[in-house]
Amino acid sequence: AQRVTQPEKLLSVFKGAPVELKCNYSYSGSPELFWYVQYSRQRLQLLLRHISRESIKGFTADLNKGETSFHLKKPFAQEEDSAMYYCALTTGGYNKLIFGAGTRLAVHP
Amino acid sequence: DGGITQSPKYLFRKEGQNVTLSCEQNLNHDAMYWYRQDPGQGLRLIYYSQIVNDFQKGDIAEGYSVSREKKESFPLTVTSAQKNPTAFYLCASSGWTSHTGELFFGEGSRLTVL
Repeated sequence: AQRVTQPEKLLSVFKGAPVELKCNYSYSGSPELFWYVQYSRQRLQLLLRHISRESIKGFTADLNKGETSFHLKKPFAQEEDSAMYYCALTTGGYNKLIFGAGTRLAVHP
Repeated sequence: DGGITQSPKYLFRKEGQNVTLSCEQNLNHDAMYWYRQDPGQGLRLIYYSQIVNDFQKGDIAEGYSVSREKKESFPLTVTSAQKNPTAFYLCASSGWTSHTGELFFGEGSRLTVL
């Protein structure tokens, strides 16, 4: 069965430090991977998708099929990055997503 | 204001009672979804619907029921058969033709069983 694993429940860093939120998946085929973010008192929303190879708010994520990983990275964390981050995948040509348990990022001044 | 509206935000229910959570969208999206969110478990898919009058079970459909009589509406009923219904419920929608993985979420409904 397909599964998304986010091993860290909480990641705490200081402003300006690099950030890496880990995401591993289990799927034998070619999945599509996404990162969703939920800021305090806001709705869950799409941050980025691997197929777009984009950088959003300074965040990037590279799909590593060999390691079945899709880690989210940012070189210099900002306080406004504090939020709950969810990794998700879909295995078919449809928007039925499987989510990980989420990682809370706390960026301290 | 376009988007997804869930109601009520908070709901209390006695054991043995059914309760229906409302989800309405004005984004003209074909697909709609219901997820359950529990601490430490992320989001788990309950039901989803690709088109009107059609829906499929997700990973945790037992004890829940849905209907899709209108494109804009996808209500979720939590029945008395659901063994652990206290949770946060999220509704979402997406454009069927896009296949982009972008779901648009509501603000959620928190159900507490007393």
